[in-house]
Amino acid sequence: GQQVMQIPQYQHVQEGEDFTTYCNSSTTLSNIQWYKQRPGGHPVFLIQLVKSGEVKKQKRLTFQFGEAKKNSSLHITATQTTDVGTYFCAGPSGGGADGLTFGKGTHLIIQP
Amino acid sequence: SQTIHQWPATLVQPVGSPLSLECTVEGTSNPNLYWYRQAAGRGLQLLFYSVGIGQISSEVPQNLSASRPQDRQFILSSKKLLLSDSGFYLCARNGGQGDTQYFGPGTRLTVL
Repeated sequence: GQQVMQIPQYQHVQEGEDFTTYCNSSTTLSNIQWYKQRPGGHPVFLIQLVKSGEVKKQKRLTFQFGEAKKNSSLHITATQTTDVGTYFCAGPSGGGADGLTFGKGTHLIIQP
Repeated sequence: SQTIHQWPATLVQPVGSPLSLECTVEGTSNPNLYWYRQAAGRGLQLLFYSVGIGQISSEVPQNLSASRPQDRQFILSSKKLLLSDSGFYLCARNGGQGDTQYFGPGTRLTVL
């Protein structure tokens, strides 16, 4: 079945440093989505990328979708303590009703 | 606005006991509904999805079952809990951008 892999699993950064998480799918994706889960909370949708090579920005966050539509990355510039949490990528599971296959996530820990 | 409610928020149950988790959705009609489980270090796993009343599809074989008795109600059940059923259970509905997912606050289940 489809697999979505994310690295790294954990990332410690000093506040103000940049952060990047990478996502790879075993199959070509029609789209890729990113979610953020704060400690103790539930995942919250951040963005969806659809086009090959697409780049989208949300303030300090930059999302990229690979040319082959099998990989993606999320880059945060100048991290802040509010960025703490787990970042998940997800792609369509290929089953019915548009369910998603999630990566295991990257836990971002920020040291002030 | 569209809101997802889940209860209970937390639950501690002995092995072998039954389970019933409830999810209700407000502000939308005929949503696709999903149950995900998040176990420690394993990301989110899609368990069940439903496209309408009485329509349930299972993504993985397991000790759990789901039902959708009303359009905006989705229930996760078990007759006899196992230790491995512990986790964070999240109900979700489909969002405005195709297969994006909007999650409820979740239920933390501990089976002892």
